Amino acid sequence: DIVMTQSPDSLAVSLGERATINCKSSQSVFYSSNNKNYLAWYQRKPGQPPKVLIYWASTRESGVPDRFSGSGSGTDFTLTISSLQAGDVAVYYCQQYYDTPYTFGQGTKLEIK
Amino acid sequence: QVQLQESGPGLVKPSETLSLTCTVSGGSISNYYWCWIRQPPGKGLEWIANIYYSGSTIYNPSLRSRVAISVDTSKNLFSLKLTSVTAADTAVYYCARAPQWQQGIFDYWGQGTLVTVSS
Repeated sequence: DIVMTQSPDSLAVSLGERATINCKSSQSVFYSSNNKNYLAWYQRKPGQPPKVLIYWASTRESGVPDRFSGSGSGTDFTLTISSLQAGDVAVYYCQQYYDTPYTFGQGTKLEIK
Repeated sequence: QVQLQESGPGLVKPSETLSLTCTVSGGSISNYYWCWIRQPPGKGLEWIANIYYSGSTIYNPSLRSRVAISVDTSKNLFSLKLTSVTAADTAVYYCARAPQWQQGIFDYWGQGTLVTVSS
């Protein structure tokens, strides 16, 4: 199985500041035949199910604000929230879909400082 | 707007079978993959299985021997059965949808239902 490891486990950022969450996979999730990274990011707010924010490592899902961006390739990925808003308090998960079983990171809890 | 709703018993006895149903509303079950994912208390998300509307399936190997997923297109729902449950199967179970072009991206989720395994 591909193990997904996120850092940090928790993060406190001031409103309006940048938040950065990292995700590392135990093997590359880059598929050279189509030049795509099989990596998604999800946001789970309290009391709600996860919501996909980004897939193919950097493609924003429809309706997701552009302050959310994804980057990285191969085994190292980053989710950046450029200017934190109060509504961004949530747990964020990365997930690989390069191979089954699909696997998730342990989650990063984002709070307001 | 597509909505997914899980239903089923919230308490299952050890060694028995956990059965859950996910009802899809606001859209057709056709041309999508339908998925089950769970999260044990205090632990991470675990993908369980996918089924295409036509019936083809893929399972997490760690659960494959105990899991069956099925779809009923006439009723716009799909189901999960997990046999021989133990306390380790206590979790919030989510149903989700994945697009036809990539069955590993879960773009709609149900609210989740807590299933506790206890005598």
